[in-house]
Amino acid sequence: ETGVTQTPRHLVMGMTNKKSLKCEQHLGHNAMYWYKQSAKKPLELMFVYNFKEQTENNSVPSRFSPECPNSSHLFLHLHTLQPEDSALYLCASSGAGTIFGYTFGSGTRLTVV
Amino acid sequence: DQQVKQNSPSLSVQEGRISILNCDYTNSMFDYFLWYKKYPAEGPTFLISISSIKDKNEDGRFTVFLNKSAKHLSLHIVPSQPGDSAVYFCAASEATDSWGKLQFGAGTQVVVTP
Repeated sequence: ETGVTQTPRHLVMGMTNKKSLKCEQHLGHNAMYWYKQSAKKPLELMFVYNFKEQTENNSVPSRFSPECPNSSHLFLHLHTLQPEDSALYLCASSGAGTIFGYTFGSGTRLTVV
Repeated sequence: DQQVKQNSPSLSVQEGRISILNCDYTNSMFDYFLWYKKYPAEGPTFLISISSIKDKNEDGRFTVFLNKSAKHLSLHIVPSQPGDSAVYFCAASEATDSWGKLQFGAGTQVVVTP
């Protein structure tokens, strides 16, 4: 499978639940990203991983915990979320250099109830 | 602090006419700019880009213009087609960021009417 694949596509969870979002890419990219898209807002960068190492945490609350076991896989572990965390969570990957831009997954639509 | 701004949340245009989407930025270190297109229930897909050494880049019906002095770029779609109805995101990156970390605007929803 090519491109960036995100699972699940939709997730509804209670505030006391623990769940994980998964992202997988087979493009040979070495950088992976988590973005949050809320309605009418810019895409918000959450985390950046380069060669499996986290290089950026954009002041994200600790209830979001990323994991990058290798350059092809990225997880976002969720626990004790709030209703305002409901959003579309997008994973992206890129190769070195700005000229390549990002390849995005289709996203996980998260609803916290 | 939002460094990339798309001040028009929506745009309605008639099929066959020109769509003009605008984007402003505040960071003078940005030197690479991209436009992404997003359909509902899908991730954004790359549309067109421009380097700061150019002021225009054209790809078929899509042209991006860059005005560095005004820190402004625009995307022109001509002629507009119903399949162009989507959300368009402007994004920018700094040359010093070798991994191309992108800053995005809030997006403009384009609706092309028959």
